[in-house]
Formats: sequence, structure tokens, C-alpha cells
Amino acid sequence: EDQVTQSPEALRLQEGESSSLNCSYTVSGLRGLFWYRQDPGKGPEFLFTLYSAGEEKEKERLKATLTKKESFLHITAPKPEDSATYLCAVQATSGTYKYIFGTGTRLKVLA
Amino acid sequence: SAVISQKPSRDICQRGTSLTIQCQVDSQVTMMFWYRQQPGQSLTLIATANQGSEATYESGFVIDKFPISRPNLTFSTLTVSNMSPEDSSIYLCSASRGGDGEQFFGPGTRLTVL
Repeated sequence: EDQVTQSPEALRLQEGESSSLNCSYTVSGLRGLFWYRQDPGKGPEFLFTLYSAGEEKEKERLKATLTKKESFLHITAPKPEDSATYLCAVQATSGTYKYIFGTGTRLKVLA
Repeated sequence: SAVISQKPSRDICQRGTSLTIQCQVDSQVTMMFWYRQQPGQSLTLIATANQGSEATYESGFVIDKFPISRPNLTFSTLTVSNMSPEDSSIYLCSASRGGDGEQFFGPGTRLTVL
């Protein structure tokens, strides 16, 4: 069964304290892995798509990487405005184009 | 990207009634999806809204409870029927230009059932 697990569940960082969020996945064949940011009371906001192992994408303080079993979202020198829930989703090659979401990591960056 | 709007943004409903949620995309898209997000939880796919044919429902969701329409390439509705307090949740619409591309999400509809 296709599955996505995110860790940690919650993370508190001081401003400037870099860290990484993990997304482990089990899927029959990976079509794509997607990272989203969700602020309270809002819909998820698209960040990155990764398609193959070794691929990396960057945007401001965020960098996403992909291996055959997991993805990392690295946050460098975070600021309080980076506080949000970060969601990972995978799309399998078999069947439909649906996403399977992980449970998310709630990030709080303290000033 | 695509800009997605949903109506209503929130509602409080009585048990046994039905609510229809609208999702409008600012341009034509190939695929549209409906999700449920319970407080503090991640997103669970309810169904894929297919243009011109019946929606494809995920395990645990049925058409009688969550009828979906998709009359064209920019619009879809989800009805939550015969509501109970367990249906209290955030309902999100998403859209994708190509099946294997990123999905863009609407702001969600916060539903409370009393």
C-alpha cells in the first residue's frame, strides 16, 4: 500500500537555526513528490515538485531533495514568517493522478 | 499556476441538511479534486471530479453522501448531504493542468454541523 510519513510532527526553531524536515514514502512507482506550505485557515500553497532521485529544488531559504525512499526539506536560517505546516505528497505511476498526503510537520520559528 | 476560489468560505449548518460548495478556477484545467481536512489533520482525497462523467470516489466516500458535479473545465461543486456533526471539517478543492503536474488549492470551506 502506498504510504507517506513525515517527521517530526512538530518542530520549534530559533530564528536563524537551520534544520530539515523529512518525508519518507513507500510507493509502487513514483510519478512525483510535492511539497506544500499551509498557513492556518488557508489552502496549501505549492512549493516544489521532484521527479527523480538526486533532484534538488531551491526557493529562498528552502531546499528540497529527493532519494529513492525519502525527501528532505532543508530550511536555512529560518525567519518567523516561515512558521507554517509543511506537507509532503506523492503521486504514484499506477492508476490515477491522485496525491497521497503525509500528516505534515508543524514548524514554529521563534524570533 | 491557477487561481481557485471557493464559496462559501464558511458555514454553520443544522444536522440533516445539505450544503453545496462551489469551486471556480480562473482558467481551464484538466483535473479537479475534492479533499477533506479535519482539524489538525492532513488532507484526505474524497473524489476526482471528471468533466463530462461521474466522479471517481475514494474508499470510504460515496456518491449519495458527496455528490459532485463538473459541468465544464473551470467549475465544480461538492454537496455534503444529510449532514451530521462528523461532517464538520474543512473542504478543499484543487486543480491540475496536467494529471502529473502540481495541484493548486482553493482557500477551503470551513463547515460546522450542529
